[in-house]
Amino acid sequence: NAGVTQTPKFRVLKTGQSMTLLCAQDMNHEYMYWYRQDPGMGLRLIHYSVGEGTTAKGEVPDGYNVSRLKKQNFLLGLESAAPSQTSVYFCASSYGYQGGQPQHFGDGTRLSIL
Amino acid sequence: AQSVTQPDIHITVSEGASLELRCNYSYGATPYLFWYVQSPGQGLQLLLKYFSGDTLVQGIKGFEAEFKRSQSSFNLRKPSVHWSDAAEYFCVLGPNAGKSTFGDGTTLTVKP
Repeated sequence: NAGVTQTPKFRVLKTGQSMTLLCAQDMNHEYMYWYRQDPGMGLRLIHYSVGEGTTAKGEVPDGYNVSRLKKQNFLLGLESAAPSQTSVYFCASSYGYQGGQPQHFGDGTRLSIL
Repeated sequence: AQSVTQPDIHITVSEGASLELRCNYSYGATPYLFWYVQSPGQGLQLLLKYFSGDTLVQGIKGFEAEFKRSQSSFNLRKPSVHWSDAAEYFCVLGPNAGKSTFGDGTTLTVKP
């Protein structure tokens, strides 16, 4: 099993460009999440989804959009990239709503905005 | 509001020495607590989890954690550290309404 797969692994963008990060999970998980990780700030939740066709804002949603058209995929979009969005982005998934369900993480996408 | 505090940003231990990483939480009910490890350039891997019951939880790679309700703590321990344990460790509370609360992480350096 692949678990959680993120593509691409690395990307360099120019300010103002757009791009989409793809997350795919093969564990039939209901919940999916997008985080960003910056030095000294831990992981911050950008958006999450509690099921196919649903999305919700997390802690730092501004400048990002998401879509969950299929249960196994969760897309994170940057419409107009800014240098402040330089970060490592992690996707995660979990089985369900009930407490105690651990999250499974991808290996991350390292994104640089010049 | 729930919160997680990892008081130590960086810890250095010698290989073979014991390790304890601290985690304090704030939550109004019985918490669900997790420890994750992140090696450089990798995603987060689950080490162990606490739901209820036994307050001493065993995990992978020889780690264990003890839940102490009276102290609102969930400290991670390992009796003998290996060089491969050098990584960043995250204490996590949740989920609550689907969202988890992450500590800021503790970076572990292992001296030879």
